[in-house]
Amino acid sequence: AQSVTQPDIHITVSEGASLELRCNYSYGATPYLFWYVQSPGQGLQLLLKYFSGDTLVQGIKGFEAEFKRSQSSFNLRKPSVHWSDAAEYFCAVINTGGFKTIFGAGTRLFVKA
Amino acid sequence: DADVTQTPRNRITKTGKRIMLECSQTKGHDRMYWYRQDPGLGLRLIYYSFDVKDINKGEISDGYSVSRQAQAKFSLSLESAIPNQTALYFCATSDYIAGDTDTQYFGPGTRLTVL
Repeated sequence: AQSVTQPDIHITVSEGASLELRCNYSYGATPYLFWYVQSPGQGLQLLLKYFSGDTLVQGIKGFEAEFKRSQSSFNLRKPSVHWSDAAEYFCAVINTGGFKTIFGAGTRLFVKA
Repeated sequence: DADVTQTPRNRITKTGKRIMLECSQTKGHDRMYWYRQDPGLGLRLIYYSFDVKDINKGEISDGYSVSRQAQAKFSLSLESAIPNQTALYFCATSDYIAGDTDTQYFGPGTRLTVL
């Protein structure tokens, strides 16, 4: 069965520092991968997605993610974090047949001044 | 106006009560979903529907039921609420496009507390 692991429950970074959030997936074929962000009191919003082509994908708000098949990873990165990036981030994979999205447990990002 | 709306946004109820959470969307999507979010567990799928006549159980459907009243409306019911159903509930929609991925669009959530 497909699964998604986000090893870090929470991460704290200083404003202006770089960020990397880890995501590992278990999937037999080429996966469709997503990163969503949930700001406090709000629903989830898509940051970026990968389903084919260039393994480095660009998203909104200056985020990017790299698909590495050999490591079964899809890590999210941002070169310089802003205080408004404080939120919870979810990695997700879509299952075979493309009709159920499976979410990781989430990583909560704290940004300190 | 928001594309996916949920009512109520917050609800406190007692054990054994029947509760209905409602979801409406203006995106024109065929696919709708109900998830619950618990700390440390991410989002778990309760039910999903690919059109008005299609209803499917997700991974945690026990204790829940749904109704797809129209393409734009998808309601979640707790027939007899229990405390471990206290959670944040999200409705989502998607529109599968061949050759693309199934991006989901989420409502703002309903925080349900069962006492």
